[in-house]
Amino acid sequence: KQEVTQIPAALSVPEGENLVLNCSFTDSAIYNLQWFRQDPGKGLTSLLLIQSSQREQTSGRLNASLDKSSGRSTLYIAASQPGDSATYLCTVPMYSGGGADGLTFGKGTHLIIQP
Amino acid sequence: DTGVSQNPRHKITKRGQNVTFRCDPISEHNRLYWYRQTLGQGPEFLTYFQNEAQLEKSRLLSDRFSAERPKGSFSTLEIQRTEQGDSAMYLCASSSRDRENSGANVLTFGAGSRLTVL
Repeated sequence: KQEVTQIPAALSVPEGENLVLNCSFTDSAIYNLQWFRQDPGKGLTSLLLIQSSQREQTSGRLNASLDKSSGRSTLYIAASQPGDSATYLCTVPMYSGGGADGLTFGKGTHLIIQP
Repeated sequence: DTGVSQNPRHKITKRGQNVTFRCDPISEHNRLYWYRQTLGQGPEFLTYFQNEAQLEKSRLLSDRFSAERPKGSFSTLEIQRTEQGDSAMYLCASSSRDRENSGANVLTFGAGSRLTVL
């Protein structure tokens, strides 16, 4: 069964900085990897989904990369803004091969962008 | 259809009481999931349904917890004899195969139901 680790657990940076959030997973036989955003007291919003055959995905100022062989993914946020303040969660399918059996989440990186 | 809907959004109860949460998934989604999230942690899988069939249950789902999806549409999660340790956000998600992403199982989450047990 997968285990997901996210580093750092918390990050506080001034507005405008570029930053990198890290995610590692124990079983490299993943079907895909997904990054979510969670605002305080709210549900999850999907940011980026990377298929196992892909190396990266981009959406606006966000870029997520995937290195299956090393069990790592990074989420790059360019030109950070106060509105980016949230918890960012990395997730992979619970079991090898993906399928419908749910996701395993990391504990998240709590990001604060200072105005 | 505006997404996954969960009710109530917040429930405060006394220890020992029973509570029930409801989840209305996206109408065309045949899969429905329940997760629990405690403060400072990521969501943890509880159970999932494909149509009305409950296909997997986590060890986190003690015998005080029961989930149903009787008609393959909405689902309920009931917690009996609540304990303070049950205080958490209960998240529901639904999915169907994403054809654009070669069959990826893309989950859409609701806003969650927060339970506080006093």
